Amino acid sequence: RKEVEQDPGPFNVPEGATVAFNCTYSNSASQSFFWYRQDCRKEPKLLMSVYSSGNEDGRFTAQLNRASQYISLLIRDSKLSDSATYLCAVNGGAQKLVFGQGTRLTINP
Amino acid sequence: NAGVTQTPKFQVLKTGQSMTLQCAQDMNHEYMSWYRQDPGMGLRLIHYSVGAGITDQGEVPNGYNVSRSTTEDFPLRLLSAAPSQTSVYFCASSYSPGKPSPLHFGNGTRLTVT
Repeated sequence: RKEVEQDPGPFNVPEGATVAFNCTYSNSASQSFFWYRQDCRKEPKLLMSVYSSGNEDGRFTAQLNRASQYISLLIRDSKLSDSATYLCAVNGGAQKLVFGQGTRLTINP
Repeated sequence: NAGVTQTPKFQVLKTGQSMTLQCAQDMNHEYMSWYRQDPGMGLRLIHYSVGAGITDQGEVPNGYNVSRSTTEDFPLRLLSAAPSQTSVYFCASSYSPGKPSPLHFGNGTRLTVT
């Protein structure tokens, strides 16, 4: 089993829709969780950290479920500019960040 | 405001050649790492360093060497390039005061080995 797993998609949703991704992790001792956004042929950029209590940044909401060992990302009122690949990252021990393979999202007009 | 700088941006090598991918950061980050990204595989950790003089292996270290003589620089060396090393390589750094912090990535190096 991979340390961090994501559904690769692609997800194709209409503009204005709400879309959610999950990311499961296998190391129950993991303490740090992040969502990154990667545009085509660019480097990943931090979208948001994921806190135990859940956190929101505008249209984006991230949640952590320790019991089931997954994190989620919800995007509300999606925009064309949200089209990208979304990567989750979880610490795999010893200060290493392990990434999922990414979920490709396309927002259609 | 340079952040993480990688050079070169593109490189083509023949099988068996060696080369060094350069990575420098000006944020005084302790933690630096190298990832490779292949289609459908996500980002895989090659090597990482938690400070000058300290390096460790990641998930896919074979065929790569690193050193960390200064806080700023973390070069990745390919000793004898193989077609399987064709990939996009990202260097990343973070402050990392004892636990993983968000990574800042360089622009990447696209390497093709023929």
